[in-house]
Amino acid sequence: QSVLTQPPSASGTPGQRVTFSCSGSTSNIGNNVVNWYQQLPGTAPKLLIYSSNQRPSGVPDRFSGSKSGTSASLAISGLQSEDEATYYCAAWDDRLHVVFGGGTKLTVL
Amino acid sequence: QIQLVQSGAEMKKPGASVKVSCKASGYTFTSHGINWVRQAPGQGLEWMGWVSTYNGNTKYAQNFEGRVTVTTDTFTSTAYMELKSLRSDDTAVYYCARPTGGGYLPLGFWGQGTLVTVSS
Repeated sequence: QSVLTQPPSASGTPGQRVTFSCSGSTSNIGNNVVNWYQQLPGTAPKLLIYSSNQRPSGVPDRFSGSKSGTSASLAISGLQSEDEATYYCAAWDDRLHVVFGGGTKLTVL
Repeated sequence: QIQLVQSGAEMKKPGASVKVSCKASGYTFTSHGINWVRQAPGQGLEWMGWVSTYNGNTKYAQNFEGRVTVTTDTFTSTAYMELKSLRSDDTAVYYCARPTGGGYLPLGFWGQGTLVTVSS
């Protein structure tokens, strides 16, 4: 059971906007920033969003993040087929150190 | 460019230990800690621990406390993760990952992963 809660799956069609949720508690998301990772099949995870809403250089501005209270969200606009991947949220937890969500697998229909 | 290159796949029997290495290049090794994260087949990411490459301080996930040891060798810019008393459910891909900055997160650089298979 992951400390951060994510829905296991999501889907969308090309061009659509999709959002992913990540729910935590005061000790993690409530008190600390959230990071999002994209993992394509068979590859290592890639940092997508850091500090809740910042994009590393090279990440398209189609990807955006936000945080409110003990929850966070990742949005992808203008969905593309290459966005099909699993998306993980992560945060520092004041008791448990680093915690991840269980991941949301995105299918582009 | 910044690279983390991990050692090759391992096959171990239950009860044995495994030691995975992670060789860093392209930056000053002692400026950033190293995290270890694992992923069981078809499962999500699980943080195992962190080591300071500056002074060797460590932090471990409760699930692994007492079974995992993370260390570094500053002379070879290599981090190590040793997991003892292996069980079949330790079968996973083990990743080393470096934060982008000076803290524990975010994990901006990842090794390619090392598959550890535990089977009798």
